[in-house]
Order: sequence, then C-alpha cells, then structure tokens
Amino acid sequence: DAGITQSPRHKVTETGTPVTLRCHQTENHRYMYWYRQDPGHGLRLIHYSYGVKDTDKGEVSDGYSVSRSKTEDFLLTLESATSSQTSVYFCAISESGRNTEAFFGQGTRLTVV
Amino acid sequence: DQQVKQNSPSLSVQEGRISILNCDYTNSMFDYFLWYKKYPAEGPTFLISISSIKDKNEDGRFTVFLNKSAKHLSLHIVPSQPGDSAVYFCAAVEIQGAQKLVFGQGTRLTINP
Repeated sequence: DAGITQSPRHKVTETGTPVTLRCHQTENHRYMYWYRQDPGHGLRLIHYSYGVKDTDKGEVSDGYSVSRSKTEDFLLTLESATSSQTSVYFCAISESGRNTEAFFGQGTRLTVV
Repeated sequence: DQQVKQNSPSLSVQEGRISILNCDYTNSMFDYFLWYKKYPAEGPTFLISISSIKDKNEDGRFTVFLNKSAKHLSLHIVPSQPGDSAVYFCAAVEIQGAQKLVFGQGTRLTINP
C-alpha cells in the first residue's frame, strides 16, 4: 500500500469552529489532492497541490484553504465549519507524467453539528 | 460544471455475466482516463487506465474502451464476481496540463449470485 495517512479519521465539530485535516505521505510524490465524497456527487476536487507551496483550486473550493509547506504534508482547513461541509474527505497522491495513478488515503469522516 | 459524468447511479448484474459501466466527459483536453473501485469505509483503489492514444486496454477480467469522438469510455468486467460489488468511479486528467484529476459521480455495481 502507498504510504499515505490521513488524520484524524473521524471528527465531530461545531458550526463556526475551525478544523484542519492532515494528509501525510512517505512516497515523495509531487501531486497531492483533497476530495470530498457525498451521495450523488461522487468525488469532488477541493484543492490540489503540484509542489511545495504550489496549490490550486478544484471544483468546490469555497470555504476551504490548503497549505503545503513540505513535500510530505498537505493540510486542508475549514476556516469556519458549516453543516454543508459534513462529508467524507479523501486525500490522494500521485506522480507526474505518464504515471498518473493516484493513491488514496483511508478518508476522514467529518461531522459538523 | 460536471466534466466527468456517470449517468447510471446503480447497476445490478448476475454473477458470471458481463458488467458494463459507462462514463462520459466534456473536456476534450483530457488525455488520460482511469477507473477506481471503492468499498465502504475504504479509500478508492486504482483498477485500470487508458491513454487517449489508445482505444482499448485490457487487464485480466477488466477492459476499458475509449471512444474519443464520442467522449465516452466504458469498463467491462467479465465474468462478474460477487467481490466486484462496489462503487466504481471513472476519472480523467490532462497529463500535459494542470494534472487536475477529476472524478465522476460513481456507479454502484451489485453482483447477484
């Protein structure tokens, strides 16, 4: 299995509080992604990174920010959590070029009450 | 703006028969396509991929077909087995571009004994 770890695995938080999810990799892959999975919507891209300090928005980036200060860590922050951000969040990593197979973490189940 | 679409939320197939999962895309810049399989409470896992320079790729019981003119790809599983019951996601990426990996909504495949 690819070395990718998400933390925490489960979290319950209150509306309006800040939340940070962490994705850690040991594969030295260049690309890292954050997705959310919701019924009927599949996997939607929130933000992704193509290198240290290089990030870009995905399809559903509103209300989320990211940071990548080291190759191995990609943080997703909900500045002020809302109930609509209750979801399962997945981190993925991939190499560049032809080998674009992405490896996924186990997911973080976030509930905003 | 859903760039990758899986219009069938679910599919039920008899064990031993062929399963065909479909996927459409709108972005003509996509040049690499992937299929992922997901079991409950786990992250998606890579299944098979195809480059836009090919129209078919085979790996054991799994074959992916690409019709570029129709912007359509399909995954064939034959023969279908009970362990194939899962949610299947198709994904697309611009290898020469931003490496933004975009997924469809998923199709839940159920294999009946």
